[in-house]
Amino acid sequence: GAGVSQTPSNKVTEKGKYVELRCDPISGHTALYWYRQSLGQGPEFLIYFQGTGAADDSGLPNDRFFAVRPEGSVSTLKIQRTERGDSAVYLCASSLTGLIQETQYFGPGTRLLVL
Amino acid sequence: AQKVTQAQTEISVVEKEDVTLDCVYETRDTTYYLFWYKQPPSGELVFLIRRNSFDEQNEISGRYSWNFQKSTSSFNFTITASQVVDSAVYFCALSERGSQGNLIFGKGTKLSVKP
Repeated sequence: GAGVSQTPSNKVTEKGKYVELRCDPISGHTALYWYRQSLGQGPEFLIYFQGTGAADDSGLPNDRFFAVRPEGSVSTLKIQRTERGDSAVYLCASSLTGLIQETQYFGPGTRLLVL
Repeated sequence: AQKVTQAQTEISVVEKEDVTLDCVYETRDTTYYLFWYKQPPSGELVFLIRRNSFDEQNEISGRYSWNFQKSTSSFNFTITASQVVDSAVYFCALSERGSQGNLIFGKGTKLSVKP
């Protein structure tokens, strides 16, 4: 595929459950970003991967949130013990090498609803 | 303090009107980049333009134009002869060395173009 893909597109879960959100970046892009967008707000940074390593995870709200990118391509955002406040759209973006001047290309997002 | 401020929450215009979306940013870095993204009702963020801090030339692309003024820390976006398809939420974003290239978004401006 040409663009960033994310699965699932929608996820409904119950409070306290564990969820995994997947991102498949543009082929060849070494930089991968996760953002969270709450209703009526702009996206907020969560974590940035350069290759397989998390170069900056300063945006993760707490230790219930974790992300991996084991082979430097697909990434999974994992949320443990979900809370209603975690309900949001989770966006993934990728860029070629992660330089600040590069354009980040976004996927369609995963809409997470915690009941 | 917000680093990217989009003071206009919602704007409504009639087709063929011109409309300007405001963006004011704050950074201590001398090298930074500004972006505009469009988020149509489908939800996917679409890249529109990137501007670096050293280039204050205005840019025009079809009906779209951007005015970058370092003196007022603004990067405004004008749509000329608006169309219904321009209806979307528009986000201004900042990429700076201090944030390692992670995008800092404004809260967005929702533009409604009525026929």
